[in-house]
Amino acid sequence: DSGVTQTPKHLITATGQRVTLRCSPRSGDLSVYWYQQSLDQGLQFLIQYYNGEERAKGNILERFSAQQFPDLHSELNLSSLELGDSALYFCASSFEGEGEAFFGQGTRLTVV
Amino acid sequence: AQSVTQPDIHITVSEGASLELRCNYSYGATPYLFWYVQSPGQGLQLLLKYFSGDTLVQGIKGFEAEFKRSQSSFNLRKPSVHWSDAAEYFCAVGPSNTGKLIFGQGTTLQVKP
Repeated sequence: DSGVTQTPKHLITATGQRVTLRCSPRSGDLSVYWYQQSLDQGLQFLIQYYNGEERAKGNILERFSAQQFPDLHSELNLSSLELGDSALYFCASSFEGEGEAFFGQGTRLTVV
Repeated sequence: AQSVTQPDIHITVSEGASLELRCNYSYGATPYLFWYVQSPGQGLQLLLKYFSGDTLVQGIKGFEAEFKRSQSSFNLRKPSVHWSDAAEYFCAVGPSNTGKLIFGQGTTLQVKP
C-alpha cells in the first residue's frame, strides 16, 4: 500500500458527461501528479500541483482540469467525455515538488 | 524529442531463468532514470532509480539496472526470476528526482513454471 488513495476505483459514464476523480496523497506529501494510462497512448503525465498551486502541465486536454485543496487532496475533473477518454487515471504524490513519487491504484474510467 | 523506448512489448521467461528488459531513452539534458513495476490491479511501484555515480544500481526485489550513456540505455536485470515477478515493467526518464516523468510503453513479463 503506497498510502495514496484514489476514489472511485471504477467509474462508468456516458459520452458528454462530466466526472470528478479524487486523490488523497500520502500524509505529509505536498505534491500531487496526475497521469492517464491508455492502450494507445501509454502512461502520460497530465498535471502536477504543489501545495495548492499548479507546478507543471503535460498533455492535459482543455476539457480536463485539476485542483488541489487546502487539505492537499486533489481532484481531476473530466468534462464533455468522449469514448477515447476511457483509461486508467493515476495519481501520485511526493513530499516536495521533487522527490520519489508514490502511485495510487488508479481509477478506471469507462466512457460508453 | 524526449522519449523512452522499450523495444520488447512482451517477454516470457521460465522461472529461475535470468531476465533482461531493455530501455532506451532520448533526452536532451542529464537524465534521471527509473524503473517501475505494475502488478495487475495495482499502481506503479518504484524498483530503482539512477541519478549519478555508479552506473550499476541495485533495487528492490533483487532487480538491478545498468546505465550506459554511450548507448542511451538503462536495462533492467534479474539473475533468477520468480513467478511473482510476472507484471508490467515501465522505464521512465525525468529532469530530476520527480514524479513528472516520461514513460516507455511498458514490457509485460510472463513467467513460465
